[in-house]
Amino acid sequence: AQSVTQLDSHVSVSEGTPVLLRCNYSSSYSPSLFWYVQHPNKGLQLLLKYTSAATLVKGINGFEAEFKKSETSFHLTKPSAHMSDAAEYFCVVSDMNGNKLVFGAGTILRVKS
Amino acid sequence: ETGVTQTPRHLVMGMTNKKSLKCEQHLGHNAMYWYKQSAKKPLELMFVYNFKEQTENNSVPSRFSPECPNSSHLFLHLHTLQPEDSALYLCASSPQDRNQETQYFGPGTRLLVL
Repeated sequence: AQSVTQLDSHVSVSEGTPVLLRCNYSSSYSPSLFWYVQHPNKGLQLLLKYTSAATLVKGINGFEAEFKKSETSFHLTKPSAHMSDAAEYFCVVSDMNGNKLVFGAGTILRVKS
Repeated sequence: ETGVTQTPRHLVMGMTNKKSLKCEQHLGHNAMYWYKQSAKKPLELMFVYNFKEQTENNSVPSRFSPECPNSSHLFLHLHTLQPEDSALYLCASSPQDRNQETQYFGPGTRLLVL
């Protein structure tokens, strides 16, 4: 079965500094991986997805993630944090049969001014 | 926001009430999903519909009853709920129920069961 582990439940950075949100996955096949963001009182918005093409995936709002099969990781990064990035971020893996998404527990990103 | 809308946005109900959650997507998709987001727990998939047919029921209690009359609408009928059912219920849609396809989420209905 597929699973994802988000290694930090909370991350705090200063505005203008880099962001790193860590995610490790477990899958018996080549997975599809996603990062979603959820702002307070809002639904989930897709940031980016990996589907076996380029290992470095660029998403919206300056975020990117790198698929590393040898490390079974899919960490999310951004060079410079903005106050509007404060939200909860979910790493997600897709089941190979159909489109059943398995979500990580989430990482809450706090951005300090 | 996205092309997926949910009503109501907030709902408070007693354990003996019957209520329904509604989801509508304006994206021309054929697959729709219900998820439950509880505090301090990962999102849980509840139901999947593909071309109006239920393709997944993730061991959800029968007090939750989904209905998909067409590819654009999805309902979740609630009856005799328990306080532990209080959560954010999220609806999503995708072109089809296939691997790699992006799911688009609505804003959710925050449910409180008293």
